[in-house]
Amino acid sequence: DSGVTQTPKHLITATGQRVTLRCSPRSGDLSVYWYQQSLDQGLQFLIQYYNGEERAKGNILERFSAQQFPDLHSELNLSSLELGDSALYFCASSVVSGRQETQYFGPGTRLLVL
Amino acid sequence: GQNIDQPTEMTATEGAIVQINCTYQTSGFNGLFWYQQHAGEAPTFLSYNVLDGLEEKGRFSSFLSRSKGYSYLLLKELQMKDSASYLCAVVSGNTPLVFGKGTRLSVIA
Repeated sequence: DSGVTQTPKHLITATGQRVTLRCSPRSGDLSVYWYQQSLDQGLQFLIQYYNGEERAKGNILERFSAQQFPDLHSELNLSSLELGDSALYFCASSVVSGRQETQYFGPGTRLLVL
Repeated sequence: GQNIDQPTEMTATEGAIVQINCTYQTSGFNGLFWYQQHAGEAPTFLSYNVLDGLEEKGRFSSFLSRSKGYSYLLLKELQMKDSASYLCAVVSGNTPLVFGKGTRLSVIA
């Protein structure tokens, strides 16, 4: 158990709908990262937040947005869903030790768009 | 940009040793991670290399050569539970981790 929690574990929805994925980082971790992992793709970095502020952006679609709240939990919003959005969505939080920043991953949310 | 290459699949025998290679092209290299990911589960941290050489941690070791843009993960005394994907990831500059597509390892009896 990494200490990172994600809800829900599974989500089934229809095209055109909107969903919200939730992530709570490990206690004390200020950074939250979101990733998408499709069957034929590796882990694709979507976005990073640090202490409530957006820090880095990856290949995140305009239909997707995220935020990090004062209690440091984060939400990833996916709208106008398409079949191709079906994937595992992971969040990770990180701990810094010297020059090493290690990410610890939550169990993921499996999204199926029908 | 960054490019990370790993073999797609490997098969090895229980009790044997296997080496999973990773090559990368990046600018401003800051470190290289290896993660293990069982099917449908979260990636779990295995190792981190920032300096050249071998880092040993139990049955797993990771090697880095920065001049060659090359790393490998060495798994000894393979067990069936080691069947998983192994992800190489590089951090450079101020950009977050970039992951390779992973190597799916199958351990057979």
